[in-house]
Amino acid sequence: KQEVTQIPAALSVPEGENLVLNCSFTDSAIYNLQWFRQDPGKGLTSLLLIQSSQREQTSGRLNASLDKSSGRSTLYIAASQPGDSATYLCAVSNAGGTSYGKLTFGQGTILTVHP
Amino acid sequence: DTAVSQTPKYLVTQMGNDKSIKCEQNLGHDTMYWYKQDSKKFLKIMFSYNNKELIINETVPNRFSPKSPDKAHLNLHINSLELGDSAVYFCASSLLGGAEGVDTQYFGPGTRLTVL
Repeated sequence: KQEVTQIPAALSVPEGENLVLNCSFTDSAIYNLQWFRQDPGKGLTSLLLIQSSQREQTSGRLNASLDKSSGRSTLYIAASQPGDSATYLCAVSNAGGTSYGKLTFGQGTILTVHP
Repeated sequence: DTAVSQTPKYLVTQMGNDKSIKCEQNLGHDTMYWYKQDSKKFLKIMFSYNNKELIINETVPNRFSPKSPDKAHLNLHINSLELGDSAVYFCASSLLGGAEGVDTQYFGPGTRLTVL
């Protein structure tokens, strides 16, 4: 059974800092890994998707890496801004069988960037 | 242009009632999902439909019954509501890919269900 863990659970940083959010998963037989952002009372916004054959994806100030063999992913946020404050969720999609298409989520990292 | 929409946004009801939540996507996706986010903000999948066929059915009470009239719609009907059903329910959609698996999942804004 796939389990996803995110560390830290919460993070508070001053504006301008570079930061790293961590995600680990127990079953390395994944199709892809997705990072989401959730603002309070809102839905989820997809930030980056990394296919199992890829090592990293970049979008603006965000960079996500994937080490499938060790079951780890990191989300790097450069030059953080107060607008980055949100909960960041990591989710993996497993390969084959009845798991096909299902996302297993971590508990999230609550990020606060203060001015 | 709303990609994945859900109605209603808020739903407050008494225990024992039956209620439905509707979801529609205009992205041309062939797969739709229902997720539940509990009070601790933990998201867990409930169901998934691909081309109107049920492909994922997690351990969910049979009081919950999804219905997909077509590829663009996935509704969730809940019978005999209980206090523990209070949560935020998210609908999502994606295109079930080939060798690389499913594509990005796009989520609706959520429906906050409160059972009194």
